[in-house]
Amino acid sequence: GESVGLHLPTLSVQEGDNSIINCAYSNSASDYFIWYKQESGKGPQFIIDIRSNMDKRQGQRVTVLLNKTVKHLSLQIAATQPGDSAVYFCAENMGSGAGSYQLTFGKGTKLSVIP
Amino acid sequence: DSGVTQTPKHLITATGQRVTLRCSPRSGDLSVYWYQQSLDQGLQFLIQYYNGEERAKGNILERFSAQQFPDLHSELNLSSLELGDSALYFCASSVATGTANSPLHFGNGTRLTVT
Repeated sequence: GESVGLHLPTLSVQEGDNSIINCAYSNSASDYFIWYKQESGKGPQFIIDIRSNMDKRQGQRVTVLLNKTVKHLSLQIAATQPGDSAVYFCAENMGSGAGSYQLTFGKGTKLSVIP
Repeated sequence: DSGVTQTPKHLITATGQRVTLRCSPRSGDLSVYWYQQSLDQGLQFLIQYYNGEERAKGNILERFSAQQFPDLHSELNLSSLELGDSALYFCASSVATGTANSPLHFGNGTRLTVT
């Protein structure tokens, strides 16, 4: 089964509010996590990543939090805009050994921004 | 625009047929990855190539094969197609093989429909 999953399959947020998308992972050996955004008809677009030796990383309007104790990852989007409407995937690197890089994706959360 | 180019954008074919999907990675990226995205399975890792050599294999069927050419473009060959092979096929590229700070950049995919 999936080792990366999402708590909420859909999320509706008012424009201007903050969004929080959650993700649970089961492989404690995973060392790298990425959030992707996928708009209709397009491929996954890289948003932000975090290594397992960190617990927080900030980008432009986005923050990723990693809680290794409970194997939980979250993506926070500040001041959500209509253009943020998309499906968001978390992914973990389950590759082992040099040169191995296998991202396992969760099933995604659909974020809908209400104008 | 991720810089990863995939052709064709759409492909419709019949069961039992064989198709070839093509991918050009971002300039400077040596690694190419293939993913399959279907409604019931989400994004599934198929295979990875690095500088022309196979580096990692995921859930790739024996009917499927891939290669990476000296100019670093890659092709995914799908043969003896079945209805269940209908899906979006994504190519992604990255600079290196397993560097944690090297996220994958995805193309916009090829939508394969098997009738």
